[in-house]
Parts: sequence; structure tokens; C-alpha cells
Amino acid sequence: TQLLEQSPQFLSIQEGENLTVYCNSSSVFSSLQWYRQEPGEGPVLLVTVVTGGEVKKLKRLTFQFGDARKDSSLHITAAQPGDTGLYLCASEAGFGNEKLTFGTGTRLTIIP
Amino acid sequence: DAGVTQSPTHLIKTRGQQVTLRCSPKSGHDTVSWYQQALGQGPQFIFQYYEEEERQRGNFPDRFSGHQFPNYSSELNVNALLLGDSALYLCASSLGGKLFFGSGTQLSVL
Repeated sequence: TQLLEQSPQFLSIQEGENLTVYCNSSSVFSSLQWYRQEPGEGPVLLVTVVTGGEVKKLKRLTFQFGDARKDSSLHITAAQPGDTGLYLCASEAGFGNEKLTFGTGTRLTIIP
Repeated sequence: DAGVTQSPTHLIKTRGQQVTLRCSPKSGHDTVSWYQQALGQGPQFIFQYYEEEERQRGNFPDRFSGHQFPNYSSELNVNALLLGDSALYLCASSLGGKLFFGSGTQLSVL
């Protein structure tokens, strides 16, 4: 089973600052998904990256997939209180296999 | 269009009891997966149902069982509850790859 390590585990920053969180594995990802989970809710898919070196943008969020497909990062520009939540990365057991392995997550708090 | 709905939202049980959790998938979705999320952890895959059959299973004991009905809704059953079964249980439905999660059932075992 692939193990996903996320860092940092906790992050608390002021509104307007930038931040980056990371997801790493010792083995290659077939693809990688990023989710955000708010208290009392299930995870919501933000993006899926598939190709090594791929960069995807979602408004103020930039997702990057490492060239070797063993790591990924999520960068948030000008963080807002609405960005607060648990950010989870997840990998599929195989391409197109919907069984997901999740990391332990980064709990992000944006202070107004 | 209703998303994935789960019931109940909260549940308190005692050790040794049995529990049944329910999930209605997003309209048109034929595959249902169940995940367990312990406090401070990411979700862990329990099993997945498709066409009323268990298609994949994670590393969970046989105390965890499930069922999928012809209308694609699903149940998760846990027997002989342990304190360590306390967690948020998430259901996810999918059609062709993208998963949609429900809000979960928070199970507390005392």
C-alpha cells in the first residue's frame, strides 16, 4: 500500500499571506488528487493531476505534480478565511481504480 | 440534484453492539465506496460496491460488512463494536471516476 506523507501537519497564517503544502510518497503515483474537507463535511475534490511536471490552477490555488510523479504541492496565494480546512492528497490504487489512499492531511487555519 | 446523503448524522453505541449506516448515492451513480476517518487522520478505504457486489476491500476485519441495493443505495454494518471503531464514516459515490463524498456519520463507541 502506498504511503502518502503530508507536511506540514498544521498551518496557521494571517489572511493575505501565501502558503505551500506538500504531499510526498516513496513510490510513483499513477495520479494524484487534492481534496479540501471542512468541519462536519466530506472531502471535496479540488483537482486531479496525472502528468509529471503538470501545473494546474484553480483561482488562487496552484497545484504542481513532480516530474518523477512522487510528490505534489499546493500553493495558495493571498489566503482568505474561506480557505480554512483540512487539505488531503490521495492516490489511486492504479490508473482508473477508484480505491483511494489518503494522506493524513494538512489542517490550515487562516486568521482574519 | 441531491448529492450523496448519509444517515444518521450522529450515532452513539456501546462496545459489543452492532450498527448499520446508510448511504444514498448521487443520482445516476452506480458505485459506492465506504471510508473510515479517525480523528486527525485521512480517510481509510473500507470497501467498494458495484452492481450489488463487493468489488474491492481494504484492510478491515470481517466485522465490517456491507450491502448494495438495486437502487444503488448502500449500507455499512459493523458488528461487535470496539472503542477503536469510533470515527467519521464517509460514503462516496461515483460514475466513471470522480468521487463525491457525503457528510458522513459520526460514530461514537462508549
